[in-house]
Amino acid sequence: DGGITQSPKYLFRKEGQNVTLSCEQNLNHDAMYWYRQDPGQGLRLIYYSQIVNDFQKGDIAEGYSVSREKKESFPLTVTSAQKNPTAFYLCASSPDRMEKLFFGSGTQLSVL
Amino acid sequence: SQQGEEDPQALSIQEGENATMNCSYKTSINNLQWYRQNSGRGLVHLILIRSNEREKHSGRLRVTLDTSKKSSSLLITASRAADTASYFCATAGGSARQLTFGSGTQLTVLP
Repeated sequence: DGGITQSPKYLFRKEGQNVTLSCEQNLNHDAMYWYRQDPGQGLRLIYYSQIVNDFQKGDIAEGYSVSREKKESFPLTVTSAQKNPTAFYLCASSPDRMEKLFFGSGTQLSVL
Repeated sequence: SQQGEEDPQALSIQEGENATMNCSYKTSINNLQWYRQNSGRGLVHLILIRSNEREKHSGRLRVTLDTSKKSSSLLITASRAADTASYFCATAGGSARQLTFGSGTQLTVLP
């Protein structure tokens, strides 16, 4: 059953803590993306990767880091430098033509 | 940056009525896409229209694109309660290797 799996569904972060959100896809897509969604708002791009071992900053990359060591995996780390991390985080992938994104079910990150 | 802006922000209609949502954008595009999001879930791709197309249909969905006005509309005909969701437009333009999403329209279909 092909798709994108995000975990965990809910995550809590303590002050000064780094947390990592997982994103795995078995669609054999080259491109993967991380978006942040705040309540009642659209999606803002954090990072994207077009190929393994390469990634680019999106519009709001500060306080976040990513890696792309495998085609299937694109984890996002929310660092302690991100002062307002509470949001819904969405991972997506696409074949390399920007014609359709496939989304995971999201991770809700909250601050304790 | 938010390229697309949807209008209205919220729309409430009765089951069986048609729902129309509009999207405006600022720069030239290669294609424009519409996505649907149920509460607390990921987005689902609905339909794509290319910059050289003016209208496209898929089931109960009709999308129009006016590149001279930099705007698009999504029409859902004969709406159902299950159509209740947020709807987002997203644009892909030029050499950008990313989609830029609008702020969304929250559609509520009352049974």
